[in-house]
Amino acid sequence: EVQLVESGGGLVQPGGSLRLSCAASGFSGHWMVWVRQAPGKGLEWVANINPDGSQKYFVDSVRGRFTFSRDNANNSLYLQMNNLRSEDTAVYYCAREGRAAPGVALKAYDIWGQGTLVTVSS
Amino acid sequence: QSALTQPRSVSGSPGQSVTISCTGTSSDVGGYNYVSWYQQHPGKAPKLIIYYVSARPSGVPDRFSGSKSGNTASLTISGLQAEDEADYYCCSNAGSHTLYVFGTGTKVTVL
Repeated sequence: EVQLVESGGGLVQPGGSLRLSCAASGFSGHWMVWVRQAPGKGLEWVANINPDGSQKYFVDSVRGRFTFSRDNANNSLYLQMNNLRSEDTAVYYCAREGRAAPGVALKAYDIWGQGTLVTVSS
Repeated sequence: QSALTQPRSVSGSPGQSVTISCTGTSSDVGGYNYVSWYQQHPGKAPKLIIYYVSARPSGVPDRFSGSKSGNTASLTISGLQAEDEADYYCCSNAGSHTLYVFGTGTKVTVL
């Protein structure tokens, strides 16, 4: 069964760092993404990574502060968040980009984790 | 990278139909047939209900349908049911794998 489980959220002061993990079974060969949702707000696409980890893309507001990596051997993804700001406060979801067929990307996210809450506050 | 525009809320009685619009630009919604829709119940993770503008994943009822015209995509829920009360978000690809953008979200209320 494909499953995604995020961890690593918590309370951090502005300017601090946090590393989120996503334990992911069944994600080999898939693009993966982080999506966040501020309290009471909508979804925001944050970053994605290709199957071998060689390509990564970020939304403008986090580029240069966040890094995204994956360890396929250990079925894990990581979001390293540095220089955190209050506006980064959100639930962070790890999600899988599905495939319509081998090599044909769904361009949509078919499996989601339960999310982990990051609170940036002094 | 501006969010796609959705109405804040829509409502309907059980059995009725409601339609949610999602307006973008020629750089996202209008430029690609990669619009997806997600349903999110309170405190839960989003669930994919439409991809490729109008395709439904296995297990999603055919009451949910999607379409697109120009820079605006739409989600229609026919035969509205109580369990359809949730937030709905559109999402569009905006250039290969380099960027995706979500809509502002719409709360659907079943009267």
